[in-house]
Amino acid sequence: DAGITQSPRHKVTETGTPVTLRCHQTENHRYMYWYRQDPGHGLRLIHYSYGVKDTDKGEVSDGYSVSRSKTEDFLLTLESATSSQTSVYFCAISGASRNEQFFGPGTRLTVL
Amino acid sequence: GENVEQHPSTLSVQEGDSAVIKCTYSDSASNYFPWYKQELGKRPQLIIDIRSNVGEKKDQRIAVTLNKTAKHFSLHITETQPEDSAVYFCAGNYGGSQGNLIFGKGTKLSVKP
Repeated sequence: DAGITQSPRHKVTETGTPVTLRCHQTENHRYMYWYRQDPGHGLRLIHYSYGVKDTDKGEVSDGYSVSRSKTEDFLLTLESATSSQTSVYFCAISGASRNEQFFGPGTRLTVL
Repeated sequence: GENVEQHPSTLSVQEGDSAVIKCTYSDSASNYFPWYKQELGKRPQLIIDIRSNVGEKKDQRIAVTLNKTAKHFSLHITETQPEDSAVYFCAGNYGGSQGNLIFGKGTKLSVKP
């Protein structure tokens, strides 16, 4: 597996609380992505980054924000978690070609 | 908007049989088509990919074919084994080489011993 870690791996939180998920890579890859995976929906892109402090929205960005202050770290924040954000969140990275994406181990988030 | 359709959503085969999963895409600029395998509770793993300048690519028991005119591509697994049981996702890049991936909704493959 590519050098990608995610933390935490599991989290249970309550509606209305802020939550931050971290993705850390040791590959020095330029591109980083956050996806959510839900039954029947496959993988949907939330936000992505094409460099330090360079980010853009994906297909399902509402309710999420991201930050990338270092090449190796990409943070996903839920400012005020809702039950609809209960999901498995995957981080992915890709290098110069951008096409080949490699996924982290995932974070299972439950919002009660 | 652009999308990738994947069929079937579930597929059950006997060990040793072949399995075929098909995907269609809508963006004519797409030129990269990866396939991922995801075992239960694990991360998606890239197993094979194809670019639009070739029509077929093989890697041992798996192969992918691409028909650019019809905008569809397929994953073929021969001599299936129980360890091939997983969810398989196809994807295509939206907007060409610098585009993000759009994923199909997945196919759950079950290989019965």
